[in-house]
Amino acid sequence: QSVLTQPPSASGTPGQRVTISCSGSSSNIGSNYVYWYQQLPGTAPKLLIYRNNQRPSGVPDRFSGSKSGTSASLAISGLRSQDEADYYCASWDDSLSGVIFGGGTKLTVL
Amino acid sequence: QVQLQESGPGLVKPSQTLSLTCTVSGGSIRSDNYYWSWIRQPAGKGLEWIGRIYTSGNTNYNPSLKSRVTISVDTSKNQFSLKLRSVTAADTAVYYCASGVARPRENWLDPWGQGTLVTVSS
Repeated sequence: QSVLTQPPSASGTPGQRVTISCSGSSSNIGSNYVYWYQQLPGTAPKLLIYRNNQRPSGVPDRFSGSKSGTSASLAISGLRSQDEADYYCASWDDSLSGVIFGGGTKLTVL
Repeated sequence: QVQLQESGPGLVKPSQTLSLTCTVSGGSIRSDNYYWSWIRQPAGKGLEWIGRIYTSGNTNYNPSLKSRVTISVDTSKNQFSLKLRSVTAADTAVYYCASGVARPRENWLDPWGQGTLVTVSS
């Protein structure tokens, strides 16, 4: 069982906006940055969001991150078929002194 | 642009030691600007952080694996390595190496290697 809690699945139709939640605690999300990774089928994860809401160069502005208290969210607007992937949130946990991941959310574009 | 490539045996026998290497290209592993990490993913499951090492030699390990893991750096070869002792079938996974920026509070992982599958079986 992951320290960060994500819904196992999410779905939307092309053009829609979907959000994926990530719930943690005061020792991780509550006091550290949140990161989001996208893992397309059969590939390595790729950094999508860092420092809660910053996008690396090359990541479309359709992807946005937010954080409030001990929870965070990833929003994808203008959903496209190529967004179909697994999405993971991550953070540092002060109690564990390590990086922790959420269990992952499988996004399906209907 | 730093690129990473994992290498090592794809099959390890139970109770033996899993050894993997990550070769860094496009940058120097000696740089104080980065740390070097290992992450694994069992088939069909989520990501598990194994640990990381700084150029200084300082390490952080996942508490659940700490007693069996060693991460080290070989600056002469621009590589870093993972050793996981006393493996069982539960250690079967795709193993990824990744790097991150060595700044306070920064714990992102980017870039990642392509990953290598390690199966533990007799």
